[in-house]
Amino acid sequence: AQSVAQPEDQVNVAEGNPLTVKCTYSVSGNPYLFWYVQYPNRGLQFLLKYITGDNLVKGSYGFEAEFNKSQTSFHLKKPSALVSDSALYFCAVRGLDTGRRALTFGSGTRLQVQP
Amino acid sequence: EAGVAQSPRYKIIEKRQSVAFWCNPISGHATLYWYQQILGQGPKLLIQFQNNGVVDDSQLPKDRFSAERLKGVDSTLKIQPAKLEDSAVYLCASSLVREGLEQYFGPGTRLTVT
Repeated sequence: AQSVAQPEDQVNVAEGNPLTVKCTYSVSGNPYLFWYVQYPNRGLQFLLKYITGDNLVKGSYGFEAEFNKSQTSFHLKKPSALVSDSALYFCAVRGLDTGRRALTFGSGTRLQVQP
Repeated sequence: EAGVAQSPRYKIIEKRQSVAFWCNPISGHATLYWYQQILGQGPKLLIQFQNNGVVDDSQLPKDRFSAERLKGVDSTLKIQPAKLEDSAVYLCASSLVREGLEQYFGPGTRLTVT
């Protein structure tokens, strides 16, 4: 079975400071990893993904994430946070060894960026 | 390109009533998913279709939930009878079939069962 852990329910950061939202995963074989963002009363929006290749992947709105196979982590980062980044962030995983394409999501981390 | 459409956006029903949700995926997306997102949790897969066939419905409570995808396009998710614990947001997502591609989510239907 595959699983995702987001250890922080909420992350608070001041505008202009770097931010990190943590994610660790468990999956059989090599993973596909995703980050999604959810704004109030809206569906999930895709931010970025890791499939293979460079461990540092860049995505929308200046976000990036680093895949670390030995630590089974895929932390989301941004060098300089904006107030508009305040939202709910979900990490998700899918194993390559299964025919299921559905994602397993973490419980989410609320990012609060203070002006 | 148009996104994933869902309706209704909100629904309030009493327990033991029935309810249906509709989803229209992005044109050309063969794979369609229904997820249930309970407040404070991440989305959980209920059912996955590829074209009009079911790929995975292992987490669908089949005694009360049903879903269909006629003609491999639109899909309907039904709950009958509803329970209080079914209160959640029901998200529809779609994707192309090729490996590793991201899923695109609709705005969701917020169901409240009283």
